[in-house]
Amino acid sequence: GENVEQHPSTLSVQEGDSAVIKCTYSDSASNYFPWYKQELGKGPQLIIDIRSNVGEKKDQRIAVTLNKTAKHFSLHITETQPEDSAVYFCAASNQAGTALIFGKGTTLSVSS
Amino acid sequence: DTAVSQTPKYLVTQMGNDKSIKCEQNLGHDTMYWYKQDSKKFLKIMFSYNNKELIINETVPNRFSPKSPDKAHLNLHINSLELGDSAVYFCASSPSGANVLTFGAGSRLTVL
Repeated sequence: GENVEQHPSTLSVQEGDSAVIKCTYSDSASNYFPWYKQELGKGPQLIIDIRSNVGEKKDQRIAVTLNKTAKHFSLHITETQPEDSAVYFCAASNQAGTALIFGKGTTLSVSS
Repeated sequence: DTAVSQTPKYLVTQMGNDKSIKCEQNLGHDTMYWYKQDSKKFLKIMFSYNNKELIINETVPNRFSPKSPDKAHLNLHINSLELGDSAVYFCASSPSGANVLTFGAGSRLTVL
């Protein structure tokens, strides 16, 4: 089955810096790669996703890149703000209706 | 109006007891899931239902029994609770044919 590895497990940055979180997946059939943000005491919330027919996607300060050959994808957050502090999860799946397999999460701390 | 609602939010109980967690979604989604998040924040799929039919049943002890009375509800019943069952349980839903998950706020189960 699919296995998703996520690094780093913790990341501390200064406000205004960029943050990058990287994930690798094992199943070459995976074609959907979302990123979720989980704030304290809340459920994970989708922030951006990418499908395997696209190499990069941006939404304001966040972007995701996908390298299908290397089977890795990354989340980039620019101009970080304290409210970006949260746990971020990458995930992968190979078809609709199958469960998302999550990475182990990255705790991002943005200090002002 | 909450999209995916879970009750109770907190549950503290003794080993050996039986307890249930309820989940309801008002998004009109066809697929619902239960995920378990352990103390290290790892999110693991437990079950998935599509239109009341079980489609994913990961390696979960048979003390855990999901029930879906209709496509808007997915409840989780746990028999003979053990210390290792302590975790946050998240319900989620997605449209049929898409893996865009909307999570509930979670139910924190503590077994003493």
